[in-house]
Amino acid sequence: KAGVTQTPRYLIKTRGQQVTLSCSPISGHRSVSWYQQTPGQGLQFLFEYFSETQRNKGNFPGRFSGRQFSNSRSEMNVSTLELGDSALYLCASSFTHGAETQYFGPGTRLLVL
Amino acid sequence: GENVEQHPSTLSVQEGDSAVIKCTYSDSASNYFPWYKQELGKRPQLIIDIRSNVGEKKDQRIAVTLNKTAKHFSLHITETQPEDSAVYFCAASSGVVTGGGNKLTFGTGTQLKVEL
Repeated sequence: KAGVTQTPRYLIKTRGQQVTLSCSPISGHRSVSWYQQTPGQGLQFLFEYFSETQRNKGNFPGRFSGRQFSNSRSEMNVSTLELGDSALYLCASSFTHGAETQYFGPGTRLLVL
Repeated sequence: GENVEQHPSTLSVQEGDSAVIKCTYSDSASNYFPWYKQELGKRPQLIIDIRSNVGEKKDQRIAVTLNKTAKHFSLHITETQPEDSAVYFCAASSGVVTGGGNKLTFGTGTQLKVEL
């Protein structure tokens, strides 16, 4: 089976812009979780989508949002970008919802200038 | 919410020696504990995981132990090799019963260096 894929792999944006990142889970997996990884804060949970519904949300401002489509692909959006949003954004897929084994994608590295 | 502490932050061992990384968690409802290895510039890769109904799990040179009473779990790597050099993250999840779903709370990571 193909692994988790993310596009784009790299992005450069300026403050105030918005960005959309995409994640395609492993075939058959219905849950997608998003994480932000930074040197200072480590790996932090953003949100989880299962069956097109957000099931859980981390402690991030409302500028961070996401959605999931009927084919389980997921997107996350960050509006009004700030310098501190520069990070590696990782998505992880799992078969279902509930303390399941998660497999990570390669990530999207976002640089905000 | 859940808090996961991980020690040490850096660990240097000689090839062939054992390495031990320890994590403690705060939420007694946590019931799933995975360990991920992340090489520089790559994605985190699951190396082993354990659920709360098991005290120990082993996979070749890697083992994980869980002490639910003390709320800590450890990763043991035996006969370390240079390719084991990476950052290792522990994590905890409580599942749907407590509303955690697939949310993983991660430790801060351990940079393991295996020297020749």
